[in-house]
Amino acid sequence: KQEVTQIPAALSVPEGENLVLNCSFTDSAIYNLQWFRQDPGKGLTSLLLIQSSQREQTSGRLNASLDKSSGRSTLYIAASQPGDSATYLCAVITGTASKLTFGTGTRLQVTL
Amino acid sequence: EPEVTQTPSHQVTQMGQEVILRCVPISNHLYFYWYRQILGQKVEFLVSFYNNEISEKSEIFDDQFSVERPDGSNFTLKIRSTKLEDSAMYFCASFWDIGSEQFFGPGTRLTVL
Repeated sequence: KQEVTQIPAALSVPEGENLVLNCSFTDSAIYNLQWFRQDPGKGLTSLLLIQSSQREQTSGRLNASLDKSSGRSTLYIAASQPGDSATYLCAVITGTASKLTFGTGTRLQVTL
Repeated sequence: EPEVTQTPSHQVTQMGQEVILRCVPISNHLYFYWYRQILGQKVEFLVSFYNNEISEKSEIFDDQFSVERPDGSNFTLKIRSTKLEDSAMYFCASFWDIGSEQFFGPGTRLTVL
């Protein structure tokens, strides 16, 4: 059974810092990996999708990498801003059913 | 930009009552999923729907749950007799093809009293 873990559980950084969020998964036979952002009491906003054949994806200040063989992904956020404060969720698809298995998330706070 | 919508945003119900949660997926998507998130816990898969039938369901999705796509746009989740432990945020998701990006709605917060 696929298990997804995210470290750290919470992170507080001053504005402007670059930061890395980590995601690990136990079954390396994934189909793809998707990073989401969740604001308190709100829905999930898709940030990046990485196919299993890819090593990384970039969108603006976000860069996600994937090392399938070691079961790891990182989300790099450059020049953090207070508006980046949210919970970041990593989710993987294993098998053809396309159901996402989520991690517990990293709660990020960017302070002024 | 197209988006997944869900109604209502918040539903309060008494234990034992039936509830129907509604979703309008993105119009050209073919796969429709329900997930839920109990407060403070992980988002977890409930059921997947494709080609007008359930393709997979989790162990949470028992006989009290059902899904339907009554017309070309709506996708519903029905809970026949709600329990206290059904209190959660329910998310609808849709996507175009296996392995493509999944888009989530804003969720319905269900509170069972």
